Amino acid sequence: QSALTQPASVSGSPGQSITISCTGTSSDVGSYNLVSWYQKYPGKALKVVIYEVTERPSGVSNRFSGSKSGNSASLTISGLQAEDEADYYCSSYAGGSAWVFGGGTQVTVL
Amino acid sequence: EVQLVESGGGLVQPGRSLRLSCTASGFPFGDFAMSWVRQTPGKGLEWVGFIRNKPFGATTEYAASVKDRFTISRDESKSIAYLQMNGLRTEDTAVYYCARGGTIEISTQNFFDYWGQGTLVTVSS
Repeated sequence: QSALTQPASVSGSPGQSITISCTGTSSDVGSYNLVSWYQKYPGKALKVVIYEVTERPSGVSNRFSGSKSGNSASLTISGLQAEDEADYYCSSYAGGSAWVFGGGTQVTVL
Repeated sequence: EVQLVESGGGLVQPGRSLRLSCTASGFPFGDFAMSWVRQTPGKGLEWVGFIRNKPFGATTEYAASVKDRFTISRDESKSIAYLQMNGLRTEDTAVYYCARGGTIEISTQNFFDYWGQGTLVTVSS
């Protein structure tokens, strides 16, 4: 399985909305509604912010939302805050009990 | 509080073996599949494999890049998941994370809901 494609970096000003894309293929993102997104701060454990494309775990801010269209998924962070500055990774089920991840996107709050 | 703590990383020569441990606490270990994911320097995450829980046979699945070299096992009595790595290559150098979940057979575990902080494995002569 090939890695999912994410932009290396995305930036925005406080209060703005940003969207991180995650492009896969018809064998992974396009075939399953099993896309999840993870937030990582340096030196900290990864934290899931979106699962099953659009579902938000308990305790995650409703400023985080997910969507999918065709072979691409997206994570939108609205009302951007300084605390959102982190790395974000997407993941998708790829069939055959396997998973594939994206290369990660560094979010910078200007 | 769910906690996952990896250990066992270090510097190892190519061709040698290493065993990583993931010690779990704060949840019924036997109810969950456990996964391993790695992050190579400067790159993204790569799924390594997972082990189902006992009701699903404690069977395992692996990425093609590690299949036949890596083995995942679990000790229910100690709440530990293991990653046995044999025939290590320089390209296996990475931070290795364990994560809870990663099986589609259980709908609530079809993603990775908790992660450890990782352990660094460096393969070099």
